[in-house]
Amino acid sequence: DAGVTQSPTHLIKTRGQQVTLRCSPKSGHDTVSWYQQALGQGPQFIFQYYEEEERQRGNFPDRFSGHQFPNYSSELNVNALLLGDSALYLCASSLGPRGYEQYFGPGTRLTVT
Amino acid sequence: GENVEQHPSTLSVQEGDSAVIKCTYSDSASNYFPWYKQELGKRPQLIIDIRSNVGEKKDQRIAVTLNKTAKHFSLHITETQPEDSAVYFCAASATQAGTALIFGKGTTLSVSS
Repeated sequence: DAGVTQSPTHLIKTRGQQVTLRCSPKSGHDTVSWYQQALGQGPQFIFQYYEEEERQRGNFPDRFSGHQFPNYSSELNVNALLLGDSALYLCASSLGPRGYEQYFGPGTRLTVT
Repeated sequence: GENVEQHPSTLSVQEGDSAVIKCTYSDSASNYFPWYKQELGKRPQLIIDIRSNVGEKKDQRIAVTLNKTAKHFSLHITETQPEDSAVYFCAASATQAGTALIFGKGTTLSVSS
């Protein structure tokens, strides 16, 4: 049973650039949520996708956008990168619009220089 | 919006002792409360969860209690082992609005043998 996978594992970008992170949900799951985890902090909710639509959004600027594909995989895009965007980006998958249990991927470590 | 406070931030115990981590939440609409364990450099792992219609739930050495009136919930680990050493996060979700998880800041548990 395939768990949640994310790519790439690590990424280094320069301030002002754009980045795309990818996530494949756990087999059988159809809902994907993205979280940002700064060093030493708890994950912060960015947004959630279900049926290819953004269902819920946290307190993040419009520079953060996403997409969900028909196969339920998802992308997170961040434009105009800031130094403060350096963090571990976690994807979590769940089943259905009211799915309680969320399972996390290994994350993508983004460093902005 | 929801706010989750977690205490203590660090906890050191001897092997075999019990450990208790406490969280409070602010949104009375929250109805799902998971706990995650995150080892260094790894993904958050769901270890136990509780829903608002239940007061206590146990799974071997771990248990979670919920007091809806006081808006707090706790994680109890008995007979701690060195492999329990990790960062533990509590979270809350008001699933009527979506399933975004709002996390506490984490507790670093160290179990010494």
